[in-house]
Amino acid sequence: DVVLTQTPPTLSATIGQSVSISCRSSQSLLDSDGNTYLNWLLQRPGQSPQLLIYSVSNLESGVPNRFSGSGSETDFTLKISGVEAEDLGVYYCMQATHAPYTFGAGTKLELK
Amino acid sequence: EVRLVESGGGLVQPGRSLKLSCAASGFSFNDYWMAWVRQAPEKGLEWIGEISQDSSTINYTPSLKNKFTISRDNAQNTLYLQMSKLGSEDTAIYYCARTGYFDFWGPGTMVTVSS
Repeated sequence: DVVLTQTPPTLSATIGQSVSISCRSSQSLLDSDGNTYLNWLLQRPGQSPQLLIYSVSNLESGVPNRFSGSGSETDFTLKISGVEAEDLGVYYCMQATHAPYTFGAGTKLELK
Repeated sequence: EVRLVESGGGLVQPGRSLKLSCAASGFSFNDYWMAWVRQAPEKGLEWIGEISQDSSTINYTPSLKNKFTISRDNAQNTLYLQMSKLGSEDTAIYYCARTGYFDFWGPGTMVTVSS
């Protein structure tokens, strides 16, 4: 199975600060169809996960553009340019290139 | 508005079976692959499996392949998860999600396996 390693496990930020989360894959997530199925999800406390970014860098409809994704093959990054209070929660990367699909362990974003 | 609502969770004894449902609305259910994902208490997310639009292809995470069965009824816009031989390790919130990009998730239903 593909292992996704997220760092850091916990992130403390002030409102307005820019932060980044890394997701490294144990193997390339480039599919034979040319797409890279690496998504980013946010799970706010007590809620179900919410899609933020799909296929590395595509912003899901309705998601603020302070969120951005980048990367390729095995190294991916989620950046939040100016954290807001509503961004607090646990961020997960997930891959849907290789079955069984897998998730990173999560990065908890807290207020400093 | 896309809605996914899971049901059927609850307290179940070890070794017993349970069937979860996920009612879909607000989109053309039979155009999408669907998936089940679970989350044990205070833990991360685990993909259980997925089913194609016409049920011709069903994929499972290997460790659950012989315990769980995914099915769907397109006429009823409903996804199912049949779980058997439940153990304490199966205690979790169970989510259904629309695949492709996992762009919509239900609120989840809690399953507690305990005597």
